[in-house]
Amino acid sequence: DAGVIQSPRHEVTEMGQEVTLRCKPISGHDYLFWYRQTMMRGLELLIYFNNNVPIDDSGMPEDRFSAKMPNASFSTLKIQPSEPRDSAVYFCASSSGPNSPLHFGNGTRLTVT
Amino acid sequence: GNSVTQMEGPVTLSEEAFLTINCTYTATGYPSLFWYVQYPGEGLQLLLKATKADDKGSNKGFEATYRKETTSFHLEKGSVQVSDSAVYFCALPLNTGFQKLVFGTGTRLLVSP
Repeated sequence: DAGVIQSPRHEVTEMGQEVTLRCKPISGHDYLFWYRQTMMRGLELLIYFNNNVPIDDSGMPEDRFSAKMPNASFSTLKIQPSEPRDSAVYFCASSSGPNSPLHFGNGTRLTVT
Repeated sequence: GNSVTQMEGPVTLSEEAFLTINCTYTATGYPSLFWYVQYPGEGLQLLLKATKADDKGSNKGFEATYRKETTSFHLEKGSVQVSDSAVYFCALPLNTGFQKLVFGTGTRLLVSP
């Protein structure tokens, strides 16, 4: 079990650029979550998928953010255009069912200058 | 929706000291309660959980008891080690159905030799 794999680990970009974060969930897990962690706001759930279908995106901050899950083993979170206030650590997590614990990746630290 | 409040940190202790990190919750019904731990540079990982009132979750010497009378789920450990230095998060589902977890703000624990 390789765990949840996120890439890149670190991303530094300039304001206005497009940023794409990637996630590979644990094989067999039906739920995938994207969280954002900042000092000011703590951990925020952005969106989650069940069986590759977005179920709740109410946490996505604005239209600049979008997430896709084209298949069971891959998801992306895209920010276009990026802004300095998007700087945070973005975590992907997966779980095997509605009553199962979340397994987190090691996160992507995004810095927008 | 449900919510959780945990004590602010950092909590600074010497090795072998007793640890308590307070967590109280507001919830409809009796949802499962969780403690997650985040080591430096890593994602969160489940430390322990309790699924009903009066349950005690335990793992790696840590314990927490689900107390409905005081709506609390305090984390305790009898003798901390330097390797326990991390950030600890209390969490519960936002509402009925497990999928959306709400996390506390996190409490940083620093253990010195």
